[in-house]
Amino acid sequence: QVQLQESGPGLVKPSETLSLSCSVSGGSIVGYYWTWIRRPAGKGLEWVGRISSSGSTRYNPSLESRLTMSVDTSNHQFSLKLTSVSAADTAVYFCARSAVDTADFDLWGQGTLVTVSS
Amino acid sequence: EIVLTQSPGTLSLSPGESTTLSCRASQTIRSKYLGWYQQKPGQAPRLLISGASNRATGIPDRFSGSGSGTDFTLTISRLEPEDFAVYYCHQYDSAPQTFGQGTRVEIK
Repeated sequence: QVQLQESGPGLVKPSETLSLSCSVSGGSIVGYYWTWIRRPAGKGLEWVGRISSSGSTRYNPSLESRLTMSVDTSNHQFSLKLTSVSAADTAVYFCARSAVDTADFDLWGQGTLVTVSS
Repeated sequence: EIVLTQSPGTLSLSPGESTTLSCRASQTIRSKYLGWYQQKPGQAPRLLISGASNRATGIPDRFSGSGSGTDFTLTISRLEPEDFAVYYCHQYDSAPQTFGQGTRVEIK
């Protein structure tokens, strides 16, 4: 059974860099799109960006100048780095999978809360 | 960016009742690129409907989706206790992908 698990610091200081990883277990990382989605407290879901197993990326324009995603197929994981964070970046961050011909997310991690605070 | 507006914001219902949730898009969306998700507290979202009307694997038939163009709906027939959750619509016809703000279905 394929599972996704997010990991990373739960607390990041303002102006610093938020770094998260998502480990893929029980299945292949090749042949799918891997996406980050976040949910700020009291708000709806926001698509952050996605990366293919070959490293092709697409980012939300609202975050693009601060965002970098990468994939490590040998270690079955993909990552997110968001620079110059502020309180507005406080959210539960989810990683999710979709097929290459659809952006329906059929598999999700449990989510990890990242709080931006000094 | 396509804005998805869901209504109502909250529904207070009793188990056994049926309901329809609305998702209106600011621009026309091709139906194959519209999905619905269910999220319960402390859990990840779960795909319910893809392509506006196709139930995902394992989703009971009391969930149904319909619509086209800018107006889409999710109908839940005979609410079960486990159906009380937040529901989101999602479009990926136009970049960036966007979600609605959610409709909360709560127990009356």
